[in-house]
Amino acid sequence: GAGVSQSPRYKVAKRGQDVALRCDPISGHVSLFWYQQALGQGPEFLTYFQNEAQLDKSGLPSDRFFAERPEGSVSTLKIQRTQQEDSAVYLCASSPVSGVNEQFFGPGTRLTVL
Amino acid sequence: GDSVTQMEGPVTLSEEAFLTINCTYTATGYPSLFWYVQYPGEGLQLLLKATKADDKGSNKGFEATYRKETTSFHLEKGSVQVSDSAVYFCSNQAGTALIFGKGTTLSVSS
Repeated sequence: GAGVSQSPRYKVAKRGQDVALRCDPISGHVSLFWYQQALGQGPEFLTYFQNEAQLDKSGLPSDRFFAERPEGSVSTLKIQRTQQEDSAVYLCASSPVSGVNEQFFGPGTRLTVL
Repeated sequence: GDSVTQMEGPVTLSEEAFLTINCTYTATGYPSLFWYVQYPGEGLQLLLKATKADDKGSNKGFEATYRKETTSFHLEKGSVQVSDSAVYFCSNQAGTALIFGKGTTLSVSS
């Protein structure tokens, strides 16, 4: 079956622009996660949804970052007024249930802010 | 807070050599432990996991044992192949999110 998909795969933005990154999780998966992966580093947690409820957003680095999952399936991560330090790969993962479980990752969106 | 520390790479081996990638963790409570792998051009995928002390996770010839006394989860494989070349991430999960190490790049040559 289809895995987690993300779009766009690559995004170049000028500093100050707003961007929106999309994640399509595996159908029926309850949990959805966003991670940020800087070059040469491991992924770092940004936020977590259980269905449409955003239960944890403790990893969002600033109020310029906003995520939503209005119908409990597709999710969008929005970054307002992008800065150079936002350049990273943004990973989406989904899991069939809540709690400790295997997470299935998408290929990521590589964001470059000029 | 919770953290994961894994050996820095790159690790360069010849085919059929023995592999060890060290991983230690800090956590409150008793986390589940994972190794994820990222092959070139692909997304992260789960390699193996262990959910309690003394559990051994295994997959594709790789093994790792959850050692609570040393807070470690070292990854081993007895005979690596060229196709094992990838970046390996150790992670723990005590709450909802995974906490990852920085990753170790493995390069295997024939």
